[in-house]
Amino acid sequence: AQSVTQLGSHVSVSEGALVLLRCNYSSSVPPYLFWYVQYPNQGLQLLLKYTTGATLVKGINGFEAEFKKSETSFHLTKPSAHMSDAAEYFCAVSDGGANSKLTFGKGITLSVRP
Amino acid sequence: EPEVTQTPSHQVTQMGQEVILRCVPISNHLYFYWYRQILGQKVEFLVSFYNNEISEKSEIFDDQFSVERPDGSNFTLKIRSTKLEDSAMYFCASRRGPNTGELFFGEGSRLTVL
Repeated sequence: AQSVTQLGSHVSVSEGALVLLRCNYSSSVPPYLFWYVQYPNQGLQLLLKYTTGATLVKGINGFEAEFKKSETSFHLTKPSAHMSDAAEYFCAVSDGGANSKLTFGKGITLSVRP
Repeated sequence: EPEVTQTPSHQVTQMGQEVILRCVPISNHLYFYWYRQILGQKVEFLVSFYNNEISEKSEIFDDQFSVERPDGSNFTLKIRSTKLEDSAMYFCASRRGPNTGELFFGEGSRLTVL
């Protein structure tokens, strides 16, 4: 079974500050890892994903994440927060198999202060 | 850009009534999913569907739930006799192939059971 842990439920940063959203996973097989963003009253949009290869992956809107196998982590970062980044962020894991599903963490709400 | 579409966007129903939520996945996708998100909680897997049959279902997906792909384009989730605790946002998702990993989500159908 796979699982995702996202500690805390809310992160608040000032505009222009570093964004760091933490994600740790548990998987018995090499994981596929994802970050999705959910803006109010909208669906889930893929920010970035790691499947194989380079462990530092870049996504949309200036976000990036690094897969660290030794730490079982896939933390999401952005050097400079923008007001439009305020949303809920979900980390997810799958086993990459043919019928594999995504298992989500509970999500983190990011607030950006002016 | 192709997208997953869901209808209705919001449905209010009385407890005990049947509800059908509809989804049109991206046209060349082969794997289909339903997830739900109870307000303030994590996104939970309900069921996956491939080759006209259920490939996996969660413990949430009991006998009150069913899925169908009636005409090769629509993918429906039926709840036979709704309960108060079925109130949630229901997300449909699809995936193109076995090793692509990423799920594409619709904007969700909000179900309110009174």
